[in-house]
Amino acid sequence: TQLLEQSPQFLSIQEGENLTVYCNSSSVFSSLQWYRQEPGEGPVLLVTVVTGGEVKKLKRLTFQFGDARKDSSLHITAAQPGDTGLYLCAGGTGNQFYFGTGTSLTVIP
Amino acid sequence: DTEVTQTPKHLVMGMTNKKSLKCEQHMGHRAMYWYKQKAKKPPELMFVYSYEKLSINESVPSRFSPECPNSSLLNLHLHALQPEDSALYLCASSQFGRETQYFGPGTRLLVL
Repeated sequence: TQLLEQSPQFLSIQEGENLTVYCNSSSVFSSLQWYRQEPGEGPVLLVTVVTGGEVKKLKRLTFQFGDARKDSSLHITAAQPGDTGLYLCAGGTGNQFYFGTGTSLTVIP
Repeated sequence: DTEVTQTPKHLVMGMTNKKSLKCEQHMGHRAMYWYKQKAKKPPELMFVYSYEKLSINESVPSRFSPECPNSSLLNLHLHALQPEDSALYLCASSQFGRETQYFGPGTRLLVL
């Protein structure tokens, strides 16, 4: 059983469409991170959310941390082919750092 | 500077070879990590070093041997690997542990 479940697992959309990726857990996290990873490269940190209810924007990407700090979402507006990659949520709780199950996004030109 | 560097970028080795992967960070982070990742899957934790001491070993086979020579460097020594060990090996660091991790570009390993 994964501590952080992401949905959907795979997503293929047309350029210009909007999408939302979810990261859910039954555990409380002190913070959650979102990473994007391209094939053969290391994950690149997009954002860290710390406060329950927090919303952060990074250009066309909007990140939200749930009020109870158990879940998070990533919304992409007007997706572009350059958004293609593996999106990973991650966070620390207890003495461990956990990764989500991952969402593989393909944006078709 | 949030850079973690890894060498080599690519590595091909036979099952009888001995090789090493190297990782370096200059952010003053005191926790460093090795992960193994298969395609389109999340990284799997292998080892954690905290203040240069091995704190977590996730039941990794002994053919993988980590080493932390100092607070900036992390090595992973490889010996007698199996083809199923072929993967992307990632190094990461964080300030103390459990918080945001910063990743290197990875070493793509192929075992023949």
